Amino acid sequence: EPEVTQTPSHQVTQMGQEVILRCVPISNHLYFYWYRQILGQKVEFLVSFYNNEISEKSEIFDDQFSVERPDGSNFTLKIRSTKLEDSAMYFCASTRLAQGGETQYFGPGTRLLVL
Amino acid sequence: SQQGEEDPQALSIQEGENATMNCSYKTSINNLQWYRQNSGRGLVHLILIRSNEREKHSGRLRVTLDTSKKSSSLLITASRAADTASYFCASRSMNRDDKIIFGKGTRLHILP
Repeated sequence: EPEVTQTPSHQVTQMGQEVILRCVPISNHLYFYWYRQILGQKVEFLVSFYNNEISEKSEIFDDQFSVERPDGSNFTLKIRSTKLEDSAMYFCASTRLAQGGETQYFGPGTRLLVL
Repeated sequence: SQQGEEDPQALSIQEGENATMNCSYKTSINNLQWYRQNSGRGLVHLILIRSNEREKHSGRLRVTLDTSKKSSSLLITASRAADTASYFCASRSMNRDDKIIFGKGTRLHILP
């Protein structure tokens, strides 16, 4: 069964450094998402992406964040200058269609620790 | 309360018993999904119920949706130790098709 994959599984970085989290969505999916989950808290929406542009973003997704689909398979989340509060699990998700009863399939997540 | 609030926050039951978790939401929804998350791991999609459906089954899972009360329940029958996890409901708004809003989750612990 096709699945969303994410790399790396864990990332430790120093505050102020840039990180890039990578995702490979399911191949025939068209809509891509990033969510994050701070330890012990609920999963929060960050951004959705369709047709090579952001379709929606939350207030969490400020200028420090950017997303890109550099080729036909990868979908990346970049944090330009990490802060301590960026420490969280970051999940990528994809869905074939945005509307209707379409399931969002999640990757296993990248655990980011900012020191 | 926020969109997608689950209760109880934590639930411990004996193996073999049924576990029921509830979820409430605020806005009109297109669909509601339930996910499972083992400690520190990814989100596994369990079941999706559309706004025009009232009940759905998948194996030992039964989900109900009451749009008049803006609530949903997830029932796990004949629980097993492997069911120990956190369970989240996530709703997709009728008006906004992109994101899904997660609740805080119910931590389910199955006692041997």
